[in-house]
Parts: sequence; structure tokens; C-alpha cells
Amino acid sequence: AQKVTQAQTEISVVEKEDVTLDCVYETRDTTYYLFWYKQPPSGELVFLIRRNSFDEQNEISGRYSWNFQKSTSSFNFTITASQVVDSAVYFCALSGDNFNKFYFGSGTKLNVKP
Amino acid sequence: EAGVTQFPSHSVIEKGQTVTLRCDPISGHDNLYWYRRVMGKEIKFLLHFVKESKQDESGMPNNRFLAERTGGTYSTLKVQPAELEDSGVYFCASSQKPISYNEQFFGPGTRLTVL
Repeated sequence: AQKVTQAQTEISVVEKEDVTLDCVYETRDTTYYLFWYKQPPSGELVFLIRRNSFDEQNEISGRYSWNFQKSTSSFNFTITASQVVDSAVYFCALSGDNFNKFYFGSGTKLNVKP
Repeated sequence: EAGVTQFPSHSVIEKGQTVTLRCDPISGHDNLYWYRRVMGKEIKFLLHFVKESKQDESGMPNNRFLAERTGGTYSTLKVQPAELEDSGVYFCASSQKPISYNEQFFGPGTRLTVL
């Protein structure tokens, strides 16, 4: 079974604070891919990152960083020095088995207040 | 390059009526996917086209939903007759060949409200 859990429904922070969005996944596949997407108010899902199951190196892209830990089946996303423009719903997703579909979490709504 | 487009952006219909949603994928993308997010829950896979063929329709909720992709270009998703529980946001996504673990490009979604 494939499942993604984002336990944080909504998070509110003040601008410049750091914030971590949690993502826990379940899969029996040995090869799989993990993704993060951002959904701004305009509605479309914007791709942020893809990570395959054989690469546990953390990744940093500007203020964004991702921590992939297979031991805990987690793929957490940290925004450093948050900005108002980071306000959005963030989805974590898993692609496994035949890689033809994504399994999404329920999303975490991030509110960054000025 | 234009992204994935969906029409309409919002549809409000009454229970028992029919609604057709349209998705135009990115030009050249053979793979087209439909997903749905209901009531703030997770986004769930509905089905996957490769060109005009249904590759996987395991996520379609029931036979009130009919998806087509004639000619392998745009796709339509028809709900007939609509029920209250069909309300939600319907997303379309597309990806390049080969079908893969690459990112899928999503449209802005169609918000369907069934009253």
C-alpha cells in the first residue's frame, strides 16, 4: 500500500521565522520517488522537488531545504526565513509501483504573517 | 510555452445534473492524468491516459464518471448524474514521455460544487 501522511493541517508563522512541514510515507516498494508541490492561491500545483529512494542526501535550494530519512520514512520540508509569498498549501507526494500516478498527502496550509 | 489548462475554473450544478470538465495538456505530452481533492483531504488519483488510451483507471469512483481523450490531445471528464459527494477540486496533469517518475505538470483545477 502507498500512503502519504501530512499531519499538520495548518501552520501559522510570522515572517522570517523558520518552519518545517512534515511528511511521512508508507510504501513496500524499494524504488520510489518523493515530491513536494506548492499550491499558491492561484490554484495550480507547482513542482518544488523530486527525490528518489536511493538518494538520501539532503537538498538545499535557496531558503528551501529537504530532509529525507528512510529510517523514519520521512521527507520533511523546511523553509528558512519565511516570507509572506510562501503562504500556500504544500503537498507531499509519493510515486511508486509503476510510477504512473502520485499518492498525495492531504496538504499543509502555511500562513506566513507579516 | 502554455501550461496545463482546465475549463471551467468553477462549476456549480444541482444534484442529478451533468457536468463536463475539460483539460488541455502541455503540447507534446502523451501522458494525461486526472486527480481529485475532496473536502480538504488528500489529492486522489482518478485515471491516466497515454495518448488516447486509458492506462489506468483504477481511481475512478464509479460509473457515473466518464473520461475521454479523443485524438490524444485534450481530455474531458463527465460526471452524470452528479451527486453531492462529487464536490471537490478536479486537477489535470500532464507529463512527457516516457511515462515515468518525472514531475507532472498540473493545471489550476476545476472547483465543482454540487448542490
